[in-house]
Amino acid sequence: AQSVSQHNHHVILSEAASLELGCNYSYGGTVNLFWYVQYPGQHLQLLLKYFSGDPLVKGIKGFEAEFIKSKFSFNLRKPSVQWSDTAEYFCAVSYSSASKILFGSGTRLSIRP
Amino acid sequence: DAGVIQSPRHEVTEMGQEVTLRCKPISGHNSLFWYRQTMMRGLELLIYFNNNVPIDDSGMPEDRFSAKMPNASFSTLKIQPSEPRDSAVYFCASSDGQGLNEQYFGPGTRLTVT
Repeated sequence: AQSVSQHNHHVILSEAASLELGCNYSYGGTVNLFWYVQYPGQHLQLLLKYFSGDPLVKGIKGFEAEFIKSKFSFNLRKPSVQWSDTAEYFCAVSYSSASKILFGSGTRLSIRP
Repeated sequence: DAGVIQSPRHEVTEMGQEVTLRCKPISGHNSLFWYRQTMMRGLELLIYFNNNVPIDDSGMPEDRFSAKMPNASFSTLKIQPSEPRDSAVYFCASSDGQGLNEQYFGPGTRLTVT
């Protein structure tokens, strides 16, 4: 079955630390990949997306993600986090074969000031 | 564009009452999604519409839940009768491209059933 997995449920970092959040999806043909962020008490907002082309995608607020097709992965990275990055991060995959989008279970990121 | 609009933003009701949540998608978007978010279960897709037609309602918890999309600019999610375990934040989202593209989320409705 098509699925998307985020293995880190809660990540705690200090300010200025580097961040990498894992996202893996199951094979299902052509996919579009997304990372969303949900700040406390707010709705989900798009951070970045990959449809095709350069597998290294730049998003807002200094975030980037790399699509590695052979590993079915789309990990989110940021070289130096800030306290304001405290939020929940969701990976999402849409499968053209199924006409639907699947969200991962989310990773809560806490930044120590 | 004002983005996805949801109403009410907060709803407190007693068990057994009917609850109706409303959503206005972004103009021009042809896909609309209803999600439920709780601490225990995370973000769950309840149902989604494409061109006003329900495509996948497998996430609807039970018959107490129903959703309609009478036209391209309006959708409702109804719970009748409501139960305390329905307490959650309900998000509506819309997109174009048959649901394969970026989804734009509304601010959500926080539902509390006492």
